[in-house]
Amino acid sequence: QKEVEQNSGPLSVPEGAIASLNCTYSDRVSQSFFWYRQYSGKSPELIMSIYSNGDKEDGRFTAQLNKASQYVSLLIRDSQPSDSATYLCAVNIRGGADGLTFGKGTHLIIQP
Amino acid sequence: NAGVTQTPKFRILKIGQSMTLQCTQDMNHNYMYWYRQDPGMGLKLIYYSVGAGITDKGEVPNGYNVSRSTTEDFPLRLELAAPSQTSVYFCATGGEGGRNQPQHFGDGTRLSIL
Repeated sequence: QKEVEQNSGPLSVPEGAIASLNCTYSDRVSQSFFWYRQYSGKSPELIMSIYSNGDKEDGRFTAQLNKASQYVSLLIRDSQPSDSATYLCAVNIRGGADGLTFGKGTHLIIQP
Repeated sequence: NAGVTQTPKFRILKIGQSMTLQCTQDMNHNYMYWYRQDPGMGLKLIYYSVGAGITDKGEVPNGYNVSRSTTEDFPLRLELAAPSQTSVYFCATGGEGGRNQPQHFGDGTRLSIL
């Protein structure tokens, strides 16, 4: 039973376009959702957190949450080559340990 | 302000050896976590702690032990290293609220068991 699912990619997007990353989760009562960026050989870096249905914007990043559909997404506007990385979706899954449950990540490539 | 510091950064062990991965934080966070990340995979929780003197198992605890004697330190010990424990290990901290708070990661320890 997969609890947090992401398309592994690679997702290739032209520079300047919008990159759309998607994540679905299995636990209907999950309350906290996070997007992390991970460059190759580096540690995960928090990009966005979202707790309520709707959109949350921070600079070029927008997180979208739809709890009814159990779906969370990350939009990156005006994509830059420096955005090329693996993006990890993390969710708090009820019934497990107190840590987060991570998806396998989506590998994003921004083409100059 | 160093955040979360992990040592060593790299290590090669022989099968059957033991070692301790160190994790120290200066963020004054009560919650600390150990994850492992295998190639092409997400992070899996090994152990976590909600405060000094309190630890609990995560999803993949077998072959590991932890202790939490202070707020700052959360070492992870491997006993009888096995090839299946070859991985990248990340330590993370979280503020009050546990899983509802974002976690902050150290730089990781890359461990190979040969």
